[in-house]
Amino acid sequence: DAGVIQSPRHEVTEMGQEVTLRCKPISGHDYLFWYRQTMMRGLELLIYFNNNVPIDDSGMPEDRFSAKMPNASFSTLKIQPSEPRDSAVYFCASSWDVGELFFGEGSRLTVL
Amino acid sequence: GDSVTQMEGPVTLSEEAFLTINCTYTATGYPSLFWYVQYPGEGLQLLLKATKADDKGSNKGFEATYRKETTSFHLEKGSVQVSDSAVYFCALRGSNSGYALNFGKGTSLLVTP
Repeated sequence: DAGVIQSPRHEVTEMGQEVTLRCKPISGHDYLFWYRQTMMRGLELLIYFNNNVPIDDSGMPEDRFSAKMPNASFSTLKIQPSEPRDSAVYFCASSWDVGELFFGEGSRLTVL
Repeated sequence: GDSVTQMEGPVTLSEEAFLTINCTYTATGYPSLFWYVQYPGEGLQLLLKATKADDKGSNKGFEATYRKETTSFHLEKGSVQVSDSAVYFCALRGSNSGYALNFGKGTSLLVTP
């Protein structure tokens, strides 16, 4: 299996622009998680899905952030409009039931 | 709410030294505990886990014992190698908090030859 695939690996954008991060989970996994990693706050859970349905989005910072999972093999995390404080590494992870989380390599976002 | 506290890094050790990275947790019920490792430029990988009190997780020479009486899950390795240089994250999955993991802030380890 190819593992969890995220794109883009790196994104540099200007404040106010829309950013879309993409994730393809491991086939057969029924949970998908979005985490954000910064030096100051470490790894924060943003949202997670079970069978494509959002279960807990309490970690989403504000209305500028939205996440969707239209099918079992694809999810997006969108930031609109982006701000410099959104600069971070965004990780997607998937798991089967309550098993091990498998992480993608992350998307490094820089907002100027 | 559930949380994990790890020792601050960075930790710098010479090859073959003994490693301990402290981790304590706060949780209601009976959480499962994990150590994940992140190598430079990569995502996190599961290193080991323990799902109940007194369980010992082990992998690649690393060990951690789930101590309910001290709410701890310290990571140890008897002899570190340069290739162990990475960031180590302690995490818990609470029995009452759904399926997501709560991570500590991570401890950076640098092993020098």
